[in-house]
Amino acid sequence: DGGITQSPKYLFRKEGQNVTLSCEQNLNHDAMYWYRQDPGQGLRLIYYSQIVNDFQKGDIAEGYSVSREKKESFPLTVTSAQKNPTAFYLCASSIGGPTEAFFGQGTRLTVV
Amino acid sequence: GESVGLHLPTLSVQEGDNSIINCAYSNSASDYFIWYKQESGKGPQFIIDIRSNMDKRQGQRVTVLLNKTVKHLSLQIAATQPGDSAVYFCAENSSGNTGKLIFGQGTTLQVKP
Repeated sequence: DGGITQSPKYLFRKEGQNVTLSCEQNLNHDAMYWYRQDPGQGLRLIYYSQIVNDFQKGDIAEGYSVSREKKESFPLTVTSAQKNPTAFYLCASSIGGPTEAFFGQGTRLTVV
Repeated sequence: GESVGLHLPTLSVQEGDNSIINCAYSNSASDYFIWYKQESGKGPQFIIDIRSNMDKRQGQRVTVLLNKTVKHLSLQIAATQPGDSAVYFCAENSSGNTGKLIFGQGTTLQVKP
């Protein structure tokens, strides 16, 4: 079955540590996205990539980094520079352009 | 700046009734709109989409209406069922071919048995 997989589902991080969230898709999509969702709010764009080896900042990129070395993978690193990292992180992919984005099941990150 | 907003944070309906969820958008250049359903602790699921050259699109039990004159989008759900209980988000694409979606804050739909 084609889909988009995020791991882990739950992640705990100590303050000052970097942590990497995984996102893999086998839909052969060119575009991939990372969103952040806080309780009771909509999704805000962190980073996006339209093609391998290229990515752009979204609206809230500070404290985050990404890479896109393979078409299937778009990992997100939450760095110690992100002052309020506790949130629900969602990865999505699409064929590109104005079209439906498919979402993973999310990773809930908690700073302890 | 750009924003996509929803008129009501929570909508409560009786099972079997029709539901209407509204959304206002601010960018008249947006060319694509989409509704997602999100259940607790899960990722958003696609419901229906519509392009700016249309004013209505129907799916199974759902209809999306687009009024470009007043920049308003609505989702109608017929014969609402308990399984429809979730948070509903509208999103717009206003950045051409990047595919970036701007999401509204969401409306919680509660279905009473």
